[in-house]
Amino acid sequence: DSGVTQTPKHLITATGQRVTLRCSPRSGDLSVYWYQQSLDQGLQFLIQYYNGEERAKGNILERFSAQQFPDLHSELNLSSLELGDSALYFCASSRTSGGAPYNEQFFGPGTRLTVL
Amino acid sequence: GENVEQHPSTLSVQEGDSAVIKCTYSDSASNYFPWYKQELGKRPQLIIDIRSNVGEKKDQRIAVTLNKTAKHFSLHITETQPEDSAVYFCAADTHNTNAGKSTFGDGTTLTVKP
Repeated sequence: DSGVTQTPKHLITATGQRVTLRCSPRSGDLSVYWYQQSLDQGLQFLIQYYNGEERAKGNILERFSAQQFPDLHSELNLSSLELGDSALYFCASSRTSGGAPYNEQFFGPGTRLTVL
Repeated sequence: GENVEQHPSTLSVQEGDSAVIKCTYSDSASNYFPWYKQELGKRPQLIIDIRSNVGEKKDQRIAVTLNKTAKHFSLHITETQPEDSAVYFCAADTHNTNAGKSTFGDGTTLTVKP
């Protein structure tokens, strides 16, 4: 167990809908990262938050948004869902935002999203 | 932006043999190179990492080498065991004082045959 929690574990919804994925980082970690892993695909970095502020952005669609709250948990909002959004969404946390030390990312168990 | 290429995409070895996975990156600003192992249905977990000021790092049967000039780094697993079977991802991170952004390779599916 990495200490990172994600809910829900599974989510099934229809095209055009909106869903919210939730992540709670390890105790003491200030950074949260979101990744998308499609079937047989690698990990695509979506976005990073540090202590409530957006710090880095990857290949995140405009239909997707995220935020990190004062208690450091984070939510990833996916709207106008398409079939191609079906994937495993991982959240990871780390102690700092970057720089030194080069800190390890701890991944949560993931949320499997199925769009029908 | 950063681009990470990982080869091979699949690798099958006999138990006890060595396995080597190679990655190349494009952004010379990348300064941290972690390797993650993802077993089927599970989360990725860091197995070893290397910083840009180090050329090689070893942890028991696992080693990583980095060639900054050529912009490539490799994972070496010796004396492979069936439990090493998994998908392995390399990543190149550009860490500055404000943010860490990870670019992952597409993964290598390693199968160790008993």
